[in-house]
Amino acid sequence: EVQLVGSGGGLVQPGGSLRLSCAASGFTFRSYWMSWARQAPGKGLEWVANIKQDGSEKYYVDSVKGRFTISRDNAKNSLYLQMNSLRAEDTAVYYCAYDSGDYGGYDYWGQGTLVTVSS
Amino acid sequence: EIVLTQSPATLSLSPGERATLSCRASQSVSSYLAWYQQKPGQAPRLLIYHASNRATGVPARFSGSGSGTDFSLTISSLEPEDFAVYYCQHRSNWPSYMYTFGQGTKLEIK
Repeated sequence: EVQLVGSGGGLVQPGGSLRLSCAASGFTFRSYWMSWARQAPGKGLEWVANIKQDGSEKYYVDSVKGRFTISRDNAKNSLYLQMNSLRAEDTAVYYCAYDSGDYGGYDYWGQGTLVTVSS
Repeated sequence: EIVLTQSPATLSLSPGERATLSCRASQSVSSYLAWYQQKPGQAPRLLIYHASNRATGVPARFSGSGSGTDFSLTISSLEPEDFAVYYCQHRSNWPSYMYTFGQGTKLEIK
């Protein structure tokens, strides 16, 4: 059974940093692009970042470029999102997700971890 | 950058009725369009991929159609569990491998 278990969320002050983790199991993690997406309270879904299987390519939504860094450790079957210079508008539930069959969409999602940026 | 616009923002219908949700892309996305269902407190669920293919386990009452810039998600006869928020989404492969979501349509019970 595929499992994506996110962790690391919490309350952080504006300008602060946080590192999210996503532990993957039940599939060959090193074989897939992995992603982070987010959803602000009461708002829609927003893609945040992607990372290629070997970490050689990374892409970000414009609003997080230069502040967030996506990374992965294939030996640990883990995905990460380092978030720096956090802003109130980064407050959201953050999901890790992946596309298992080149569907062009995510068929597997984590349960989400809440990040709250507030003083 | 491709923008996806969904309509209507809210759709009020009764169980048993037919629902049609729309998604328009700012430029052609061919058939690379997916649909999701999201219920409160849950992660999204993939319903449709490549515009018209049902994902694993999705009931036959859900169907997708369209290509280019205009797409539809149809629920032939609404069940109580279908009332939720629906999102369309496109993945672009060039110049950046990135995803774009529509703003969502809330399907509510009338």
